[in-house]
Amino acid sequence: GAGVSQSPSNKVTEKGKDVELRCDPISGHTALYWYRQSLGQGLEFLIYFQGNSAPDKSGLPSDRFSAERTGGSVSTLTIQRTQQEDSAVYLCASSLARYNEQFFGPGTRLTVL
Amino acid sequence: QKEVEQDPGPLSVPEGAIVSLNCTYSNSAFQYFMWYRQYSRKGPELLMYTYSSGNKEDGRFTAQVDKSSKYISLFIRDSQPSDSATYLCAMRTGAGSYQLTFGKGTKLSVIP
Repeated sequence: GAGVSQSPSNKVTEKGKDVELRCDPISGHTALYWYRQSLGQGLEFLIYFQGNSAPDKSGLPSDRFSAERTGGSVSTLTIQRTQQEDSAVYLCASSLARYNEQFFGPGTRLTVL
Repeated sequence: QKEVEQDPGPLSVPEGAIVSLNCTYSNSAFQYFMWYRQYSRKGPELLMYTYSSGNKEDGRFTAQVDKSSKYISLFIRDSQPSDSATYLCAMRTGAGSYQLTFGKGTKLSVIP
């Protein structure tokens, strides 16, 4: 009965390093979303997974960003060669199906030095 | 002009006051409107969900949508210190769309 969980809660990395952020959606939820929340900005859509369908990657800001979802459950967002402008809170959400209420995790706060 | 505009505040009110939070938008295709509450260091949680124009009330919270003016509001009656949070409006287009477009959020502080 747990909610969406994300790890790590905080990540500090050096510019140029790769990072992996993990999301565990609510059990049984088929839809999974990644968002980015930068200081003073609203939530920015990154990527959407629905079941076994091809993901909607239209929100990914560059080819340094990628994500996968294994077995229709856990998802990993990878940022390669991180830049300072990647510093933000990365939020994951899941929903029962694509049009249902999205439940958010607590986010991963990424700081790129 | 961004698709969704929201005054970031901060907004500070005394306990018991009526709070009015607003968003304007430019995309007339938006049909579903939401308000999320986000406490510090937490993810957003859905507060109110409305479809098309009209009012919806839930306890101390009332959501209003005026599609003709492209304007949505959230009213909080008898505000409490526990209401102190950032409030985000969000919206999406028709039933075939899952992408939410968010405002930047308004930070609210309710002072005891």
